[in-house]
Amino acid sequence: DVQMTQSPSSLSASVGDRVTITCQASQNINTHLNWYQHKPGKAPKVLVYAASSLQSGVPSRFSGSGSGTDFTLTISSLQPEDFATYYCQETFNTLTFGPGTKVDIK
Amino acid sequence: QIQVVESGGGVVQPGKSLRLSCAASGFTFSSFGMHWVRQAPGKGLEWVAVIWYNGINKYYADSVQGRFTISRDNSKNTLYLQMDSLRADDTAVYYCARDIIYGSGTYFDSWGQGTLVTVSS
Repeated sequence: DVQMTQSPSSLSASVGDRVTITCQASQNINTHLNWYQHKPGKAPKVLVYAASSLQSGVPSRFSGSGSGTDFTLTISSLQPEDFATYYCQETFNTLTFGPGTKVDIK
Repeated sequence: QIQVVESGGGVVQPGKSLRLSCAASGFTFSSFGMHWVRQAPGKGLEWVAVIWYNGINKYYADSVQGRFTISRDNSKNTLYLQMDSLRADDTAVYYCARDIIYGSGTYFDSWGQGTLVTVSS
């Protein structure tokens, strides 16, 4: 099975900061990689699919990149509503989610 | 407006059963695969099961294989998760989510707010 790791596990940032989250797969998953945002008590929300395709309605400050085993989610200018936990998910094998990266206020 | 709403959660004793439901609206339910995903307290998201649009193909995570059964009633626009032989580590918020297929890949585009299942004596 494909194993997913994310780093960092948590980070503190300020509004306006550029934030980068990385996700690594244990084997080549091509671009079968999605990113989700999850806030407590809310439904998770897809941000990016196929590693770099922005879901309709998602602000352009979010972007995804990578292929193979290494992937990145970037928030170009962090907004107050972006404080949340972010998960990557591989859909090449067993639909495994990464362990998550919590983004909170510095 | 696309909406999925989970129900059926509650407190159940270890070894007992529980059935979750997910009511869908705002889209042609019979055209989409559907998933169950869960989140244990303080933990991350864990995919649980998927059922194809026609209800024929079903796949499960190893952690629930043989104990959980996913099903659907397209005439009622409803997804189900029958959970048997429940264990303490099944305690989680359970979400249903709609499957979107693109090219050779897939993602989950519409999620519910979840229903909490607590397995405890």
